[in-house]
Amino acid sequence: DGGITQSPKYLFRKEGQNVTLSCEQNLNHDAMYWYRQDPGQGLRLIYYSQIVNDFQKGDIAEGYSVSREKKESFPLTVTSAQKNPTAFYLCATYSGFYNEQFFGPGTRLTVL
Amino acid sequence: DQQVKQNSPSLSVQEGRISILNCDYTNSMFDYFLWYKKYPAEGPTFLISISSIKDKNEDGRFTVFLNKSAKHLSLHIVPSQPGDSAVYFCAAKGTSGSRLTFGEGTQLTVNP
Repeated sequence: DGGITQSPKYLFRKEGQNVTLSCEQNLNHDAMYWYRQDPGQGLRLIYYSQIVNDFQKGDIAEGYSVSREKKESFPLTVTSAQKNPTAFYLCATYSGFYNEQFFGPGTRLTVL
Repeated sequence: DQQVKQNSPSLSVQEGRISILNCDYTNSMFDYFLWYKKYPAEGPTFLISISSIKDKNEDGRFTVFLNKSAKHLSLHIVPSQPGDSAVYFCAAKGTSGSRLTFGEGTQLTVNP
């Protein structure tokens, strides 16, 4: 059953704590992305990776970090430096065959 | 700067009528455009796309029109159904790479 898995669906953390969001895919896609969705602001790109062991900053990378050690995995760490971490986080992959991005189900992070 | 803009945050239509969602872009290097549909607390799903070499693409009830000179595209849904109620995102891709730039989204509500 091919797809993108993001876990957990809902995550709560105290202010000042780092938290890592998981994104796993078995679609064999090279490129992976992290977006953040806030009400009325669409999807904003945080980080992306075109290939293993390589990644680039998106439009709002400050306060976030990523790694890409395996093709299947692209975890996102929300650090304590991120001023407004409460948001809906979406992971995506890119299919060159279909020329579109596929999205995971998302993780809702709430920082208390 | 917002390179892809959806100026209408919301749109309400009657079941059976036409829904028209609009999107404007500023970057002349965009050559491929996509529409995604998103339900609350879920990842976006691909709906329809269009290449810059075309001015229209149709898929069932969904048609996308592209006006390159005006840097404008629109999504037509005919007939609209209550299940179409969702947020619709317009996205654009440049000539190289797989990165997408998204608009802010339009909340479509189809009333029975």
